[in-house]
Amino acid sequence: GENVEQHPSTLSVQEGDSAVIKCTYSDSASNYFPWYKQELGKRPQLIIDIRSNVGEKKDQRIAVTLNKTAKHFSLHITETQPEDSAVYFCAASTNSGYALNFGKGTSLLVTP
Amino acid sequence: DAGITQSPRYKITETGRQVTLMCHQTWSHSYMFWYRQDLGHGLRLIYYSAAADITDKGEVPDGYVVSRSKTENFPLTLESATRSQTSVYFCASSVSGSTHEQYFGPGTRLTVT
Repeated sequence: GENVEQHPSTLSVQEGDSAVIKCTYSDSASNYFPWYKQELGKRPQLIIDIRSNVGEKKDQRIAVTLNKTAKHFSLHITETQPEDSAVYFCAASTNSGYALNFGKGTSLLVTP
Repeated sequence: DAGITQSPRYKITETGRQVTLMCHQTWSHSYMFWYRQDLGHGLRLIYYSAAADITDKGEVPDGYVVSRSKTENFPLTLESATRSQTSVYFCASSVSGSTHEQYFGPGTRLTVT
């Protein structure tokens, strides 16, 4: 969506390294920020989400951080594995109450 | 994931034809969505529905029509298909609108020749 910018568009890392994907949003009313992973030919699936009353959330090797003041949030994947290779989408809720604005995606490649 | 299905999974149609993509969910989720996915554009919202008989436009609604007579079904119709509508279409459902997880269907790959 036009209100969510995502960088980088492609990211290549070696197995075991960390990967960071960053998103910025423009709607100050946004209060829910999910991250989806889409493997080739598959549907997007939620991997982690964060709400505006929390600054950081972790789930095993995945973490998301949120800076409300700067209006940006990031996905951190540690100890990357080849199966982490996929397209990752960030999204932000809108004040309409129904829509999510999606970033354009980051294609992550983890090489053995 | 088996709770939301789409049919057909693949469809080839000609320019000017009408085509309907089906979406069915078994969770009784109030909200349902249609997205199209194109390279370089991510996921763009076409239409959404907050409940049976309540639908509204998203970011790219032109050329599409939706209906929702039953909570579990949300068909998307291309009234007169154009080549620019060649895309992968995803249906999704959610307990609420934008503040809860959206569950995506497996997608329909549509080619308009």
